[in-house]
Formats: sequence, structure tokens, C-alpha cells
Amino acid sequence: DVKVTQSSRYLVKRTGEKVFLECVQDMDHENMFWYRQDPGLGLRLIYFSYDVKMKEKGDIPEGYSVSREKKERFSLILESASTNQTSMYLCASSLRGVYTEAFFGQGTRLTVV
Amino acid sequence: AQSVAQPEDQVNVAEGNPLTVKCTYSVSGNPYLFWYVQYPNRGLQFLLKYITGDNLVKGSYGFEAEFNKSQTSFHLKKPSALVSDSALYFCAVRRYNYGQNFVFGPGTRLSVLP
Repeated sequence: DVKVTQSSRYLVKRTGEKVFLECVQDMDHENMFWYRQDPGLGLRLIYFSYDVKMKEKGDIPEGYSVSREKKERFSLILESASTNQTSMYLCASSLRGVYTEAFFGQGTRLTVV
Repeated sequence: AQSVAQPEDQVNVAEGNPLTVKCTYSVSGNPYLFWYVQYPNRGLQFLLKYITGDNLVKGSYGFEAEFNKSQTSFHLKKPSALVSDSALYFCAVRRYNYGQNFVFGPGTRLSVLP
């Protein structure tokens, strides 16, 4: 069974902390994505990666960075957490090509206080 | 630029009745369209996709979707709704770029009433 695993289901962090969200996939997918989900806004792309060490900004990259040192792992980093980054974060992966669907992790609900 | 609209925030339907969740899209070039479902506090699950060919696409859990190029729509349907279908539904289109990332609509909350 295919799997995308996010390291935490729930996180509570303080303003100004550096936060790491980890995502691992076991499907040998080339593409990996980080989305943020907020009510009424759907999913918005923060960053994506189409290969190891390759990354591209999505629609809302400000305040975030990413790292992909190995094919199976894609990390999202909040350099200095702020309350407006309180949200649900979803990691996904897919094969290369527009025909293929993405597989999602279970999500990390981050609260910044 | 690709975009997706889901005109209804909420759809209510009685159990056993047919359901439709609407989606319209705007793309340059061929559209590659997807439907996902999200249950509470879970990630998204893939339901079905349209790539090419037959305009009626069948997917998981008895869902199907009808692609209409002239109306730029990709509505999700099910002949007989179940209470367990109650969830958040997202329509998405895939972008043409290095990562071929997905653009999602805002989501439609489906409530199936017993």
C-alpha cells in the first residue's frame, strides 16, 4: 500500500521558533509538494520539488523554506513561526507527468501561539 | 494561468438521492482534472481523474464525473448518496511546469442527511 507519512499529526509551537515538518514517501516518486489548507481557501501550494535538491516556489512561499536531500524525504521549514502560520499542512507526492494523481499524507495541524 | 472554481460551499442531499458537486476550470491547453475527498482530520484521497477519452469517468466508491469541454466543467456525481459520503470534496487541475503541481478549488462540503 502506497504511503506518504508526515512526522506529526498535531504540533504546538511558540512565536519565533524554528519549526520542521517532515514528510516521507515510499513510492519512489519524483515530485513532492507542500500545501497549506485553510477554510474557504482550499489548498495553496507553498513549495514543490521535482527532483533531489531541486525546489520551486509555489504560490505562498514567504516565511517558509524546504529541503530535499533524499528522494523520499521533503522537509518544510518555518524559519520563525508566526501566528498567521497556524494552519493544516499537507504533504503530497506524485510520479512525474501530468497524467498521474498525487498521494497525500494525513496532514499536520500546526498551532503557533 | 490555471484555476478551478467550486461554486457551492455546501451541498446537502438526502441519503439515497443522487448527488452532484460542481467544478469549473480555466486552463490553457488540455485539461488534466482530478477529484479528491477529505474526511475530518485526514489527508486527501484520490477519487478519479480525467486525462483524455470518454467524457464520463468512473472512480472509487461509486463516484463518477462528467467532463464537458464546451462548458469547462467537471462535475462529480453519484447515483445514490450514502451518509458516509459526507466529507469535503476538492476539484483540481494539474499545471504544466517542472513539478506539474496541482491547483485546487476551495472545496465543497457535502452533507448527506439520513
